[in-house]
Amino acid sequence: NAGVTQTPKFQVLKTGQSMTLQCAQDMNHEYMSWYRQDPGMGLRLIHYSVGAGITDQGEVPNGYNVSRSTTEDFPLRLLSAAPSQTSVYFCASRIDRLSNYGYTFGSGTRLTVV
Amino acid sequence: DQQVKQNSPSLSVQEGRISILNCDYTNSMFDYFLWYKKYPAEGPTFLISISSIKDKNEDGRFTVFLNKSAKHLSLHIVPSQPGDSAVYFCAATTFHRDDKIIFGKGTRLHILP
Repeated sequence: NAGVTQTPKFQVLKTGQSMTLQCAQDMNHEYMSWYRQDPGMGLRLIHYSVGAGITDQGEVPNGYNVSRSTTEDFPLRLLSAAPSQTSVYFCASRIDRLSNYGYTFGSGTRLTVV
Repeated sequence: DQQVKQNSPSLSVQEGRISILNCDYTNSMFDYFLWYKKYPAEGPTFLISISSIKDKNEDGRFTVFLNKSAKHLSLHIVPSQPGDSAVYFCAATTFHRDDKIIFGKGTRLHILP
């Protein structure tokens, strides 16, 4: 099993550009989330999904869109990149609400917006 | 409004001694708590968790204590080893309502030789 796979690992965008951060998991997990990590801010929840076709907002959803058309994939779209979106983005998945083991995280995408 | 607080940005502990990492929460609806460990350039990895129906959970060198009345939990690592040097995140969720897992800002643990 590959676990949670995030692509790309690094990305530089210009202000105003759009892009999609990819996240895929092969563990048949129902729950998936996107977090961003900024210095001194910890991990902040952007969007999450409890199953295919169901998404909801987290703590910092503005400027981001998600969709969950399949169980495996949970892409994060930046609509119009801003320097404030420079961050490390982590995707995570979890089998279901009853799991005692929390999320499995991907290795992250480091995004720089110039 | 920070719902999960880790007030110590960093902590240094001698190898072999006990490391104690603290976490406070404000949302009384939280009923499940987790600790994650993160090395540089890697994703966080799950370490240990505790349900609000318990006050202690052990897994090898790691023990988490929960004090619901004080809305406080702590992670004890005994004995501390060099490989424990990492950033530790406390996290909380309302287990039976939704799957929002809210993280604290993290504490960087340095194990000194």
